Amino acid sequence: SQTIHQWPATLVQPVGSPLSLECTVEGTSNPNLYWYRQAAGRGLQLLFYSVGIGQISSEVPQNLSASRPQDRQFILSSKKLLLSDSGFYLCAWSLRGELYFGPGTRLTVL
Amino acid sequence: RKEVEQDPGPFNVPEGATVAFNCTYSNSASQSFFWYRQDCRKEPKLLMSVYSSGNEDGRFTAQLNRASQYISLLIRDSKLSDSATYLCVVQNSGNTPLVFGKGTRLSVIA
Repeated sequence: SQTIHQWPATLVQPVGSPLSLECTVEGTSNPNLYWYRQAAGRGLQLLFYSVGIGQISSEVPQNLSASRPQDRQFILSSKKLLLSDSGFYLCAWSLRGELYFGPGTRLTVL
Repeated sequence: RKEVEQDPGPFNVPEGATVAFNCTYSNSASQSFFWYRQDCRKEPKLLMSVYSSGNEDGRFTAQLNRASQYISLLIRDSKLSDSATYLCVVQNSGNTPLVFGKGTRLSVIA
């Protein structure tokens, strides 16, 4: 069966610091991968998605970037965090249109 | 008009009650529809896909009305454990990312 891992589970970072969140998927090959963010009191916002290694589509202009160095690895990064980057970051993979989420990383930028 | 709209609630219902949520979508060409459930501070999880003919899974019934562009979720015999936020999700075409509503919060009260 497929599983998706994200780490860390929680993170507190100062404004201006860098960010790296990692997501890995097991039990499937060539999955579509996604990064979503859910800010407090708001809906899920799609940040990036990838249909293959090195292929990244950005949905929202921002100071975040994503990379897919391996088939089942998806990384979300920032060079300098802003206060507005605080939120619940969710990695997901899809199969036949259905989306399956990892446990998420709760990021607080202070 | 937002792509996917839901009444945010909260819906506060007693145990055993029947409750229904509606969701409207703006793109008449949308092809796939889902309901997700999200518990507090957890990742969303797929509850059920919504098929054109409607579908049922135990106490949960989902229906699609393409003419009026809405989908519904009916929960019968509500349990305390049904308390969560229910997210309406739409996919516009086969390989495009899913679009999430902001969710409807349900509280089932003893």
